[in-house]
Formats: sequence, structure tokens, C-alpha cells
Amino acid sequence: SQQGEEDPQALSIQEGENATMNCSYKTSINNLQWYRQNSGRGLVHLILIRSNEREKHSGRLRVTLDTSKKSSSLLITASRAADTASYFCAVNSGGYQKVTFGTGTKLQVIP
Amino acid sequence: DAGVTQSPTHLIKTRGQQVTLRCSPKSGHDTVSWYQQALGQGPQFIFQYYEEEERQRGNFPDRFSGHQFPNYSSELNVNALLLGDSALYLCASLRKGVTYGETQYFGPGTRLLVL
Repeated sequence: SQQGEEDPQALSIQEGENATMNCSYKTSINNLQWYRQNSGRGLVHLILIRSNEREKHSGRLRVTLDTSKKSSSLLITASRAADTASYFCAVNSGGYQKVTFGTGTKLQVIP
Repeated sequence: DAGVTQSPTHLIKTRGQQVTLRCSPKSGHDTVSWYQQALGQGPQFIFQYYEEEERQRGNFPDRFSGHQFPNYSSELNVNALLLGDSALYLCASLRKGVTYGETQYFGPGTRLLVL
């Protein structure tokens, strides 16, 4: 079963706008990770946030984590056409780095 | 420095056949995980190999088995293929000595079609 639930399922924005994706999960976690996937190929790791962290930045990406609400958000600022992809959150809640992925948000950035 | 590699990239099989997929981890990595991703879904964890042993397993039947070699590369075997096994199979690797909070690196995947 998939623990993470992203919303929205699909998002279409104009280039230059910001994109926000949300992820909710069910159990306590060690960390939460966000990945990007282009055209059904391999996953690219974007950012990892640990359970004791609340916010993390990487370039145009900003991730927040609210463990009391069991939710996370990914913000992509000043979006580009190249950001068009599916974005997945994945939670690590057990040992050995097993991660459970959500269902993904499909982002389309229109030039 | 090569990343995670997988072979083949695409594969077509018929129901009932057996398939073997291969993965070479990133240099310096010793742990390999396999995931199945059906179309339009997120990846599902199949199992993880460390020190040539299956360390953790997801909710997949025994038709799915694996192996890890002394050079840390890994194989995923699926027996008695079903139409529902059609998916993208992803391999991910982790560096040696990792505990929690580390990044795993994914390969490009093998797309399997079962007819």
C-alpha cells in the first residue's frame, strides 16, 4: 500500500509561476524525500528532510515538514518548462532505508 | 563515476515465462533495492539486498526473487509472469555504512511488457 498521498494529482502552470505540491502520510517517519521523474524513467532525488527538521531549501526548491499534521509540501519557485515532470514524495518510516512512495503529482509548466 | 545502471532497458515477454533484470549499483554503494512502478502509480518496494542477502521485503509474492553478487550488483527474477507484472522496474542503491537519512540513487529502469 502507498503511504504518501500527494495533491493535487495534476497541476498546470505558466512558466515563471510557483508550483506547490502537498504530501500527507500516515505513520511516524525517519525522513521524507521528494523525487522527480521525467517521462516514466528513473527517479531523481531532489531533497530529503529529516523528522526533526521543519524546512529545507535547495536552489529553487523549498520543502516543509509538519510532523504533527503528517504532511509535507514542495514549493518550486519561478518554474521553468524543464520542471515538467511527475513529483513523488517518499517516506522512510522503518529500517534499512525502505521508502514508501506516494501516488505523485504530475506538473506541467507551459512556456 | 558511473551511476546506477540497469539492463535491459526494455523487455517483452509472454505470460508464464520467466525474466531476469540486472542492476549495477553506483560506485561505492553496497545496498540495492528493487521497486515496481505500474503505469500512473508510484514505485512499490519489492525487496532490498545487502551483503548478498535479502534484508527486507515488500508485499510481493514468492514469484519475485533476487540475488546480490559479491561485486554488489543484483538481479531481480520474476517467474510465471502475469499480465499484471507489466511495469517499470527500478533499482536503487545506497552507499556503504549508511544508516538513516541517506539518499538512494535510482537507475533508469527496465520497462517490462507481458503479453
